[in-house]
Amino acid sequence: SQQGEEDPQALSIQEGENATMNCSYKTSINNLQWYRQNSGRGLVHLILIRSNEREKHSGRLRVTLDTSKKSSSLLITASRAADTASYFCATVLLGDSNYQLIWGAGTKLIIKP
Amino acid sequence: KAGVTQTPRYLIKTRGQQVTLSCSPISGHRSVSWYQQTPGQGLQFLFEYFSETQRNKGNFPGRFSGRQFSNSRSEMNVSTLELGDSALYLCASSLVDSSYNEQFFGPGTRLTVL
Repeated sequence: SQQGEEDPQALSIQEGENATMNCSYKTSINNLQWYRQNSGRGLVHLILIRSNEREKHSGRLRVTLDTSKKSSSLLITASRAADTASYFCATVLLGDSNYQLIWGAGTKLIIKP
Repeated sequence: KAGVTQTPRYLIKTRGQQVTLSCSPISGHRSVSWYQQTPGQGLQFLFEYFSETQRNKGNFPGRFSGRQFSNSRSEMNVSTLELGDSALYLCASSLVDSSYNEQFFGPGTRLTVL
């Protein structure tokens, strides 16, 4: 079963615009991770945010986590054609002795030139 | 450092056959995880190996098995293949713990079952 659900399922924007994707989850987590997948580079880790953190930055990426709302957002600023990919959130449940990443269905992002 | 490598990249099998996929993690990484990715079910965790021991297992039937060798290389085996096993199988390695650290993914093995 999927713990995380990304929203929207698909997003198409002009190059240079900002893109925001959201991830909601159902049960308390230890951490939440964002990954990107495209045909050229495969599945790549972007950012890991722990449950006691509220915001993290990496280059043009900004991730926020709201544990009270059980949601996270990924913001990509000044988008580029190379950002075209599917973006997934994955969670590790709190107190789960069977540590594993549970993945959302992904947001397909298209950057138009 | 070389990345995670998976062999073969593409595989076509028929129902009832068995298949073995191989994964070589990044040098120094001791944790290897396997995932199945399909358009319908998305990414699903199969199992994780650490120091030659299966540490975690997802909800897959016993036809799916794996192992890890002393050099951290891992193999997964699927027996009695079914049409629904057609998928992209991804291997990921991490330094210690796959759930709490960044995972590095290989390019995947695309398995088609006819």
